[in-house]
Amino acid sequence: AQSVTQPDIHITVSEGASLELRCNYSYGATPYLFWYVQSPGQGLQLLLKYFSGDTLVQGIKGFEAEFKRSQSSFNLRKPSVHWSDAAEYFCAVRDENNAGNMLTFGGGTRLMVKP
Amino acid sequence: DTGVSQNPRHKITKRGQNVTFRCDPISEHNRLYWYRQTLGQGPEFLTYFQNEAQLEKSRLLSDRFSAERPKGSFSTLEIQRTEQGDSAMYLCASSQQGLRIEKLFFGSGTQLSVL
Repeated sequence: AQSVTQPDIHITVSEGASLELRCNYSYGATPYLFWYVQSPGQGLQLLLKYFSGDTLVQGIKGFEAEFKRSQSSFNLRKPSVHWSDAAEYFCAVRDENNAGNMLTFGGGTRLMVKP
Repeated sequence: DTGVSQNPRHKITKRGQNVTFRCDPISEHNRLYWYRQTLGQGPEFLTYFQNEAQLEKSRLLSDRFSAERPKGSFSTLEIQRTEQGDSAMYLCASSQQGLRIEKLFFGSGTQLSVL
């Protein structure tokens, strides 16, 4: 079965600094990968997705992620963090065993931004 | 498009009571998903519907849990004889089948606290 690991539970960065959130997956075939963001009291919002093609994908809010098959990773990056980026970030992989669009999520990384 | 709506936002109940949550998906979406998220964890898949048919249920969905989507529109999730371990955020998401990469739209969730 597929699984997703986000090694960093908490990350704190200064506003304006660069950001990289790590995601490793376990999956048998070419994965469909996603990054979601969850702010307090809000639903999960899709930042970006990867399913094929260019391994560097651009998302909303200035985020990007790079798929590296050799490392089974799909790390999320942003060159300059804004205070409004403070939230919880989830990496997810689409379930390979059925026709639905079920996702397996990682445990999340909570991002705090220092002024 | 008013997004995915979930009611109530918060529910506090005593152990042993029954609770019911409602989800109104985006109107043109034919797929509807329920996830559960406990504190500090990523969302876990519970069940999903395509139109009114419940096509998949997770092993997490014990016999005390039942979900319906009677007319292929809104859905309800009922938990009978609640236990303290049921305390969690219950998230609903919807999507439109047929797109190459379905995009899940999540509601803000119902936070359940079982005392």
